[in-house]
Amino acid sequence: EDQVTQSPEALRLQEGESSSLNCSYTVSGLRGLFWYRQDPGKGPEFLFTLYSAGEEKEKERLKATLTKKESFLHITAPKPEDSATYLCAVQAPPGTASKLTFGTGTRLQVTL
Amino acid sequence: DTAVSQTPKYLVTQMGNDKSIKCEQNLGHDTMYWYKQDSKKFLKIMFSYNNKELIINETVPNRFSPKSPDKAHLNLHINSLELGDSAVYFCASSQGLGGRGYNEQFFGPGTRLTVL
Repeated sequence: EDQVTQSPEALRLQEGESSSLNCSYTVSGLRGLFWYRQDPGKGPEFLFTLYSAGEEKEKERLKATLTKKESFLHITAPKPEDSATYLCAVQAPPGTASKLTFGTGTRLQVTL
Repeated sequence: DTAVSQTPKYLVTQMGNDKSIKCEQNLGHDTMYWYKQDSKKFLKIMFSYNNKELIINETVPNRFSPKSPDKAHLNLHINSLELGDSAVYFCASSQGLGGRGYNEQFFGPGTRLTVL
């Protein structure tokens, strides 16, 4: 069974203090690894898809990287508006449609 | 313009009642999904439809019945509601089932169901 573990569960940063969120996964043939951002009371918002080890994607202060066992979401010089829960999900190989298996998320709080 | 919309946003009901949640997407996507997010914020797939055909049916009580009248709509009907059904239900859609770029799922705002 596909498994996704995210750490830390919660992270508190000061504005400008860079850090990384971790997503470890076990899956029988990775089809894609997805990062989402979820604000309180809202639906997950798509950020990135990574398909193969070594791939990197960037968007503003966020950079996602992928290895064969884990993905990192690096946050550079975060701002308070980056506060949210960040969710990681994996998609299994063909034959399982587009099913995403999610981790439990990392709750990020960025303070002034 | 709203991409994936759900109604209602909040639903409070008594145990034993039957209720429905509606979802519509205007992205022109072929595939739609229902997810359940529990009190610990864990998001789990329930169902998926591709071109109105059921393609994912996870271990969900048969009190839950999805219906897709067309590619742009996916509704969720729940019979005989139980306390444990209280959660936030999210609808999502993706372009299709194909290769890269087709699998990104876009979520609606969620429906918070409270069963008393």
